[in-house]
Amino acid sequence: GESVGLHLPTLSVQEGDNSIINCAYSNSASDYFIWYKQESGKGPQFIIDIRSNMDKRQGQRVTVLLNKTVKHLSLQIAATQPGDSAVYFCAEKAGFQKLVFGTGTRLLVSP
Amino acid sequence: GAVVSQHPSRVICKSGTSVKIECRSLDFQATTMFWYRQFPKQSLMLMATSNEGSKATYEQGVEKDKFLINHASLTLSTLTVTSAHPEDSSFYICSARDRTANEKLFFGSGTQLSVL
Repeated sequence: GESVGLHLPTLSVQEGDNSIINCAYSNSASDYFIWYKQESGKGPQFIIDIRSNMDKRQGQRVTVLLNKTVKHLSLQIAATQPGDSAVYFCAEKAGFQKLVFGTGTRLLVSP
Repeated sequence: GAVVSQHPSRVICKSGTSVKIECRSLDFQATTMFWYRQFPKQSLMLMATSNEGSKATYEQGVEKDKFLINHASLTLSTLTVTSAHPEDSSFYICSARDRTANEKLFFGSGTQLSVL
């Protein structure tokens, strides 16, 4: 389940389960959204992006859903694997403005 | 995807010394690079935008004389932490925008700076 506190929100799942990581964004003018995966001690790795004219986009094992009405973004990972364990960040961008990162969610996958 | 190389990956230095971090785009030209700072269990905070051939644009609260940025070529940006102090200890990450890939940013592997 999820926990929020002084530490990063954490989602713990079993290997093979589907994972859903959520993100609430703040700027209603944002028109481009990206999900990044960051492993410990490494830089963020691009996973998938979506523009505001879409509400769903699928990649390999990943799906991003965008609900502009409630300013909500989610990342779905199918058949989660131990190698998916990492911190996941959503990021939003409005036009030519800078990319703004969310607070991040730690995904822990148990074998 | 495009590759961004960041060096060094880890550096330990004494208080008062300066440390230079390099960020290179290996297979594309990057007119714009970005420098981020990340504290443990926190998100990435943009420090400055590095523009090739011109002065960097710093975010509010970031001291430009403390964090010197040079973007002398289309493939290299450097961040120099001058007169480092323990509170400068952090994970520094660069990213570069590939002009041929729209807004996609590609990130370096980060530099863990520890100031003693």
